Amino acid sequence: GENVEQHPSTLSVQEGDSAVIKCTYSDSASNYFPWYKQELGKRPQLIIDIRSNVGEKKDQRIAVTLNKTAKHFSLHITETQPEDSAVYFCAAGGWGKLIFGQGTELSVKP
Amino acid sequence: EAGVAQSPRYKIIEKRQSVAFWCNPISGHATLYWYQQILGQGPKLLIQFQNNGVVDDSQLPKDRFSAERLKGVDSTLKIQPAKLEDSAVYLCASSPAGQIYGYTFGSGTRLTVV
Repeated sequence: GENVEQHPSTLSVQEGDSAVIKCTYSDSASNYFPWYKQELGKRPQLIIDIRSNVGEKKDQRIAVTLNKTAKHFSLHITETQPEDSAVYFCAAGGWGKLIFGQGTELSVKP
Repeated sequence: EAGVAQSPRYKIIEKRQSVAFWCNPISGHATLYWYQQILGQGPKLLIQFQNNGVVDDSQLPKDRFSAERLKGVDSTLKIQPAKLEDSAVYLCASSPAGQIYGYTFGSGTRLTVV
């Protein structure tokens, strides 16, 4: 069945450093790849997304890259800040539903 | 635009009891999803509705879980009887018909089974 693998499960960085989270997906029909940020006790919030006709997308300190041939995509956060600390989920979608990765707990230390 | 509404926010029940969760999607969103999020894991799709019809319920444990969306608007997810392993946050999401780009989550219902 469809599957999304996400790594690492935990990531600790110093404030100002970069953070990279990687995901791979199994369904070649997937054509939409969003990233969500979830703070403790809150709903997942969309932070950035990319569609299969684009290889890279950037929004201020956040960027996402997609390699459809290899079926993997990555989230890059530059100049990390303590408020970036949260759990991040990748997802892959096609045919009207999203399949989520297992999540990465990012901790940014001041 | 009002968001996806869910209730209750929290629920504590004993195992073997029944529980129901309610979701009201964003107005005009034809597609509604129920996800189960166990602590420390990503959301897992339980069931997907398009209007009042089921599109995908392959991951729904049908011996104890049921869901309905009778009028194609709000939806109810029920667990009967509950097990300890059902403890999780149940998230409802909605999107416009045939699209996943407008996916929006509700705040979820945190269920604890003791």
